[in-house]
Amino acid sequence: KQEVTQIPAALSVPEGENLVLNCSFTDSAIYNLQWFRQDPGKGLTSLLLIQSSQREQTSGRLNASLDKSSGRSTLYIAASQPGDSATYLCAVSPFNKFYFGSGTKLNVKP
Amino acid sequence: NAGVTQTPKFQVLKTGQSMTLQCAQDMNHNSMYWYRQDPGMGLRLIYYSASEGTTDKGEVPNGYNVSRLNKREFSLRLESAAPSQTSVYFCASTPGTSGYNEQFFGPGTRLTVL
Repeated sequence: KQEVTQIPAALSVPEGENLVLNCSFTDSAIYNLQWFRQDPGKGLTSLLLIQSSQREQTSGRLNASLDKSSGRSTLYIAASQPGDSATYLCAVSPFNKFYFGSGTKLNVKP
Repeated sequence: NAGVTQTPKFQVLKTGQSMTLQCAQDMNHNSMYWYRQDPGMGLRLIYYSASEGTTDKGEVPNGYNVSRLNKREFSLRLESAAPSQTSVYFCASTPGTSGYNEQFFGPGTRLTVL
């Protein structure tokens, strides 16, 4: 069974800092990996989708990388802002099923 | 374009009562999913429907049933609610029937079972 782990569980940084969130998975036979943002009491918003044939994806200040062989993905956030404060989740898809990590709760202090 | 919608937003049940959570998407997606989210445990897949007319169990299907009513709608039913089913329930959809798809989520239903 696929296990997805996100470390750290919580992170607090000052505004303007660059930061990296980590996602690891146990089975490298995946089709894609997706990063989400979740604000308190809200649903999940898709940030980036990386297909298994890709190494990275970028959107604005966000860059996600994927290393299937080592079972790892990172989400890089440049020049963090208080508005980035949220929980960030990663999910991997072997086929039609999706497996989620428990998330990293990010707090960006003004 | 509403995306994925869920009703109701909040619900309180007594143990043993039944209810159906509704989900609809207007993106012409083939695959739909039901998850539950509990504190500190991430999202766990309850059931999914890869295409209209098919449904499959996920990680935690016990105590739930689903119906893929048509391509747009996928409902989740609790026949006899238990306190362990207190959770936030999310519906999601993806465009195709393979894994190369981006998931889109509804706003969630917050369910409390007393």
